[in-house]
Amino acid sequence: GQNIDQPTEMTATEGAIVQINCTYQTSGFNGLFWYQQHAGEAPTFLSYNVLDGLEEKGRFSSFLSRSKGYSYLLLKELQMKDSASYLCAVSDSNYQLIWGAGTKLIIKP
Amino acid sequence: GAVVSQHPSWVICKSGTSVKIECRSLDFQATTMFWYRQFPKQSLMLMATSNEGSKATYEQGVEKDKFLINHASLTLSTLTVTSAHPEDSSFYICSARAVEGSSPLHFGNGTRLTVT
Repeated sequence: GQNIDQPTEMTATEGAIVQINCTYQTSGFNGLFWYQQHAGEAPTFLSYNVLDGLEEKGRFSSFLSRSKGYSYLLLKELQMKDSASYLCAVSDSNYQLIWGAGTKLIIKP
Repeated sequence: GAVVSQHPSWVICKSGTSVKIECRSLDFQATTMFWYRQFPKQSLMLMATSNEGSKATYEQGVEKDKFLINHASLTLSTLTVTSAHPEDSSFYICSARAVEGSSPLHFGNGTRLTVT
């Protein structure tokens, strides 16, 4: 079956760095997405990786290793507004999105 | 960037009534739109894939006669929750891709449905 695993919850301190991991097992692979979702709001797109390596976008970076079925989202210089759920999703061979359950990130002052 | 507009943002209705939610792609055409449901503190659950000009594809366990989907044009899909019950209270979110394939999904702002 298809499966996406990510931690349920993480806590970090304002100004620090946090890494949210995602492992996947899917039927085919056409890319991995990271989304941010604040409570009560719809998800917003953060990043897309289809090739191995690190994609950097401001304070956020996303890494992919296809051979390991592994990705991480790295958030630097954490701000209180980064408190949200972070969703990992993989596009399978049919371009269907398989969603992880999300990681709730709590930022403490 | 690609914008998806969803209306209404929230709705309260009485048990047994029907509610229609609209999803529009504002600056692109979407042959396919996706309807998700999310219960509090739970993950997104894909309900159905809406296909312009043809029948929607429903996920296992989703009642197609209860959740009516119409995708009459390349920019509009509607979800009608028929004979709503309190257990249908949830956050409904539509999404679409500006480009087919592995381009990112763009989400509407969601509709919070409360059935009393």
